[in-house]
Amino acid sequence: SAVISQKPSRDICQRGTSLTIQCQVDSQVTMMFWYRQQPGQSLTLIATANQGSEATYESGFVIDKFPISRPNLTFSTLTVSNMSPEDSSIYLCSVNPRGGNEQFFGPGTRLTVL
Amino acid sequence: AQTVTQSQPEMSVQEAETVTLSCTYDTSENNYYLFWYKQPPSRQMILVIRQEAYKQQNATENRFSVNFQKAAKSFSLKISDSQLGDTAMYFCAFMKQGWETSGSRLTFGEGTQLTVNP
Repeated sequence: SAVISQKPSRDICQRGTSLTIQCQVDSQVTMMFWYRQQPGQSLTLIATANQGSEATYESGFVIDKFPISRPNLTFSTLTVSNMSPEDSSIYLCSVNPRGGNEQFFGPGTRLTVL
Repeated sequence: AQTVTQSQPEMSVQEAETVTLSCTYDTSENNYYLFWYKQPPSRQMILVIRQEAYKQQNATENRFSVNFQKAAKSFSLKISDSQLGDTAMYFCAFMKQGWETSGSRLTFGEGTQLTVNP
């Protein structure tokens, strides 16, 4: 498995501002994933972040709105830009250690946009 | 593209009894993995059990077992001897087998909220 931490655990932000969420893993992983979970809903993949290359975004998500950094094999950030109340969600990062077939999730960041 | 469907938004069970959560999926892939994740109110996603599509034997993990019917594209979760701590949202998920980027992404169902009553 992997131990994953996220910062912040929660935040309340004003409309029009941006928030950067950090994801730290205790081991080196090739791929890191960012998911969004809107209130009362399931998880939706935002993008996949590989170290040394640009993130791959899913349909409906764009880099200008959700820029992602992946500076090394244990760390990634997701920025939620120009926020609106519709961005209020839980944002989770996940990894699959050793490129295996199990994904482990961080504790999530609960974002509320006023 | 893959889809995962959980047709039971909510279920409840008495403590110590058995409950089964349903999941169906649609894919054209032959090699894939299926998972059940648990999300308690803490919102932490916890892997409960996984099944490799190429294995005919159903996976078991202590009180948790699955009924995997590949031809029917069905993947149900059975929880035996339910405990209060099993109260959570349960998500069924699909992962295509492969090493490319898209091979590791998870597609989730809508979730089933399970409540275990004392």
